[in-house]
Amino acid sequence: DAGVTQSPTHLIKTRGQQVTLRCSPKSGHDTVSWYQQALGQGPQFIFQYYEEEERQRGNFPDRFSGHQFPNYSSELNVNALLLGDSALYLCASSLDRGVYEQYFGPGTRLTVT
Amino acid sequence: GESVGLHLPTLSVQEGDNSIINCAYSNSASDYFIWYKQESGKGPQFIIDIRSNMDKRQGQRVTVLLNKTVKHLSLQIAATQPGDSAVYFCAEKIPLGAGTASKLTFGTGTRLQVTL
Repeated sequence: DAGVTQSPTHLIKTRGQQVTLRCSPKSGHDTVSWYQQALGQGPQFIFQYYEEEERQRGNFPDRFSGHQFPNYSSELNVNALLLGDSALYLCASSLDRGVYEQYFGPGTRLTVT
Repeated sequence: GESVGLHLPTLSVQEGDNSIINCAYSNSASDYFIWYKQESGKGPQFIIDIRSNMDKRQGQRVTVLLNKTVKHLSLQIAATQPGDSAVYFCAEKIPLGAGTASKLTFGTGTRLQVTL
């Protein structure tokens, strides 16, 4: 049973560029949440996708957008990258039907120079 | 690997001793809490959870205590081992409107260092 997978593992981008991160949820899970984890801090909620729609968003600007595909996989897009966007981006999957536990992937380490 | 939590509070314990990691949460409406372990270069790993209608829950070598009066959680690790070295986060489940949708809000984390 495959867990949550994310790609790429590491990424280096320049200010102003755009980036796309990818996530495949744990088998059987239908909900994907994205979190940003800055160095030395806990993960911060970006948004959640269910049934291919953004269900809720945290305190992040519109430069952060996402998508969920019919197979429940998801993408996180960040436009006009800033130095402050450098962080570990985590994807977590869960089952919407009352199972609370969110399983996290290994993350994508984004460095903006 | 990548280092997580360079400036986090650190708890140092000797191998074989018991560890207690504390966490304060903020939302009185939270009904579910989780402890995660995060090793360097990895995503958070589920350790144990507890619902708000419970005060204590035990797992294998771990116990979580919940004090709703003072909004405090603790994670106790018995007979701490070198493999327990990691950053530990508590998280509270915050409902996202109606239905089952929810997000996790994480605490600041504590680095556990196990010395031989």
